[in-house]
Amino acid sequence: DAGVTQSPTHLIKTRGQHVTLRCSPISGHKSVSWYQQVLGQGPQFIFQYYEKEERGRGNFPDRFSARQFPNYSSELNVNALLLGDSALYLCASSLVWNGMNTEAFFGQGTRLTVV
Amino acid sequence: DQQVKQNSPSLSVQEGRISILNCDYTNSMFDYFLWYKKYPAEGPTFLISISSIKDKNEDGRFTVFLNKSAKHLSLHIVPSQPGDSAVYFCAASGASGTYKYIFGTGTRLKVLA
Repeated sequence: DAGVTQSPTHLIKTRGQHVTLRCSPISGHKSVSWYQQVLGQGPQFIFQYYEKEERGRGNFPDRFSARQFPNYSSELNVNALLLGDSALYLCASSLVWNGMNTEAFFGQGTRLTVV
Repeated sequence: DQQVKQNSPSLSVQEGRISILNCDYTNSMFDYFLWYKKYPAEGPTFLISISSIKDKNEDGRFTVFLNKSAKHLSLHIVPSQPGDSAVYFCAASGASGTYKYIFGTGTRLKVLA
């Protein structure tokens, strides 16, 4: 079985540009979450989606948005990129969003560099 | 406010010995805890989890202990192997009504052959 897949793996963008990151969850998983990991820190929660609805949002500006499609894949969009948006963006999938004992499985991440 | 803390940024252990990684949390509403391992250029890999109704969970060489009164959990790896060398993150969830994870800053484990 394929795990969580993310594309692209690496990306270089210029300040002010827009970026779209993509994620396909594990087959059968209906919940997708997005995390940002900057160097030396743990992943920080950005969004959680379940059944195409936003179920949680972290402390990120409105420049960050996301959506989930009928096939449960997801996109993370970031507008007006800043240098500080340079990070590893991780997608995680899980079976449900509000169940106890629900571990999430992460993709390999997209390394975004803003110059 | 760092709700999940891993106070040891790094740890070195001899192959075959026990590795003990520690994690402290501040929010008593957390009810589910996980450990992830991360190699460079890869995403975090789920290792083991524990719910707040238990104080120990074991899976092969990995055991997680939870002390709710101290708001402390630890991961024991016995015996440690060179392939265990990675960054280990603890995470907690359940405090906010959603199941987002709050991660610690990680501990880099190096197992010496």
